[in-house]
Amino acid sequence: AQTVTQSQPEMSVQEAETVTLSCTYDTSESDYYLFWYKQPPSRQMILVIRQEAYKQQNATENRFSVNFQKAAKSFSLKISDSQLGDAAMYFCAYRSARLTGTASKLTFGTGTRLQVTL
Amino acid sequence: SAVISQKPSRDICQRGTSLTIQCQVDSQVTMMFWYRQQPGQSLTLIATANQGSEATYESGFVIDKFPISRPNLTFSTLTVSNMSPEDSSIYLCSATSRVTNTEAFFGQGTRLTVV
Repeated sequence: AQTVTQSQPEMSVQEAETVTLSCTYDTSESDYYLFWYKQPPSRQMILVIRQEAYKQQNATENRFSVNFQKAAKSFSLKISDSQLGDAAMYFCAYRSARLTGTASKLTFGTGTRLQVTL
Repeated sequence: SAVISQKPSRDICQRGTSLTIQCQVDSQVTMMFWYRQQPGQSLTLIATANQGSEATYESGFVIDKFPISRPNLTFSTLTVSNMSPEDSSIYLCSATSRVTNTEAFFGQGTRLTVV
């Protein structure tokens, strides 16, 4: 079974600074997807960024980028120029690339609460 | 991206009663899932909602407690039956887009409090 580990329960960053959230995972599969989701107090789970395991290039979405190290099974999220609206819980998630039924479910880490200070 | 409407957004229920949560997607999706998020915790998958057949439940979750229906490609319901205070959680509906078949989108969640 796949597992996802987020070792930082809480992180803090000053506005306009850069912060990196860590995530490691364990899997025996070679083809899969990794995601970072943001959950603000509104409870809505918002997709921040995704990475396909077969791609060597790290994904980037505006101020958000990842450092994907497949051999090390590491998938960290870097937030640049942090804004007050970035404050939220951030969850790392794994999904098999297999399309059949429950195999396509998401496995989540325990989350990192990000605080953004002035 | 798919837009997922989930209702109710919150409810306070008496123990021993049941609550049905509805999930409507605005476009066709492949998979639909129901997750539970207990206070301060991560998301745990309850079951995969299968169209026209019985849902596939994860270990620790049973159909008698969490009956699920999915009568068509864009609609599903989750019922929390015979509730106890331990069922107080956020329940989230999720769906995988038919277009990309990769990322999952979420409803806004239902915050359930059982008293």
